[in-house]
Amino acid sequence: GAVVSQHPSRVICKSGTSVKIECRSLDFQATTMFWYRQFPKQSLMLMATSNEGSKATYEQGVEKDKFLINHASLTLSTLTVTSAHPEDSSFYICSAGLIRSYNEQFFGPGTRLTVL
Amino acid sequence: AQSVTQLDSQVPVFEEAPVELRCNYSSSVSVYLFWYVQYPNQGLQLLLKYLSGSTLVKGINGFEAEFNKSQTSFHLRKPSVHISDTAEYFCAVSGLYGGSQGNLIFGKGTKLSVKP
Repeated sequence: GAVVSQHPSRVICKSGTSVKIECRSLDFQATTMFWYRQFPKQSLMLMATSNEGSKATYEQGVEKDKFLINHASLTLSTLTVTSAHPEDSSFYICSAGLIRSYNEQFFGPGTRLTVL
Repeated sequence: AQSVTQLDSQVPVFEEAPVELRCNYSSSVSVYLFWYVQYPNQGLQLLLKYLSGSTLVKGINGFEAEFNKSQTSFHLRKPSVHISDTAEYFCAVSGLYGGSQGNLIFGKGTKLSVKP
């Protein structure tokens, strides 16, 4: 149980285009979904937290208009990187938290974004 | 606010040797503690967690960790490592209560390299 999927696993796009990444909790309903960014050989940096049906809460320094998050249901959250540039190239990981869980998060497999 | 320090960025070890990955945290509130493992180009997998109760926590793949409140540590140990344990290991902490304190704060990670 507690499986989280991400799609796509890899994406290569041209500079200036937008990319959407989906995060789904497959066998449970997630109170909250989190989006992280990980640079090579570094730790995970929390970008934003989203609750179903409400606006995402972004961490300081993360551009809301650049990284659009939609949490349409208890099993689906999407991250859209708008007008992507090469510096947006990174590994994006989502996680989902169980309702009434001990702050435990279950992580997706990640999406490797490369912007040319 | 919480913070996590993983003292060793890299730990090389020979196969079948014991290993300890160190993690110290700081927090003004009671915390939950986690260890995650990340294999190359993959998401994070939960190894073990401390929520309450016994300070010695056993996880998957033969790993265990001990919560030491007085030393604010949560070191990860395995008595005999395998080549397949080669991966990046992340210690994480979250506050007991919701809101921003419920978010996971990650250490910078420790790269465990097991050599034959």
